[in-house]
Amino acid sequence: KQEVTQIPAALSVPEGENLVLNCSFTDSAIYNLQWFRQDPGKGLTSLLLIQSSQREQTSGRLNASLDKSSGRSTLYIAASQPGDSATYLCAVKDSSYKLIFGSGTRLLVRP
Amino acid sequence: DAGITQSPRYKITETGRQVTLMCHQTWSHSYMFWYRQDLGHGLRLIYYSAAADITDKGEVPDGYVVSRSKTENFPLTLESATRSQTSVYFCASTSGGVNTEAFFGQGTRLTVV
Repeated sequence: KQEVTQIPAALSVPEGENLVLNCSFTDSAIYNLQWFRQDPGKGLTSLLLIQSSQREQTSGRLNASLDKSSGRSTLYIAASQPGDSATYLCAVKDSSYKLIFGSGTRLLVRP
Repeated sequence: DAGITQSPRYKITETGRQVTLMCHQTWSHSYMFWYRQDLGHGLRLIYYSAAADITDKGEVPDGYVVSRSKTENFPLTLESATRSQTSVYFCASTSGGVNTEAFFGQGTRLTVV
């Protein structure tokens, strides 16, 4: 059974700091990995999708990496801003196309 | 409007009542999903569907029923609501490609009293 874990569960950093969020999964038979952002009381917004054959994907200040063999992904946020405060979720698409989620990392960027 | 929409956004119902949450997507995505999100449990898959008339159980299917007679709609029914089904419910869709994104609705906040 695929299990997805995210650490840390919560993170508080001062504005301007670079930070890394971690995601690990137990079964490397995945089609892709997707990072989402969720603001309080809102839905999920897709940030980045990394295909299983890719090593990394970038969008603006965000960079996501994938090491499928070791079951790990990281989301790197450069020069963090208070507007980045949200919960970040990773999800893997397994062989039956289901999305399996981690519990998320709650990020607070202090001004 | 293009996208994935859920209705209602908020619902309060009484224990034992039947309630249906609606999900509609305009992309003709083949796969659709229902998740519930609870504090301490993250997002858990209730049911999913690979195509019209094809559905399968997820992690927490008990107490829920789904149907998918049309590709664009995937309603979720709570046959006899219980307080433990108080949650935020999210619908999602994705195409059949292995390297395609999943998109989520805005969620339905359901309270069972």
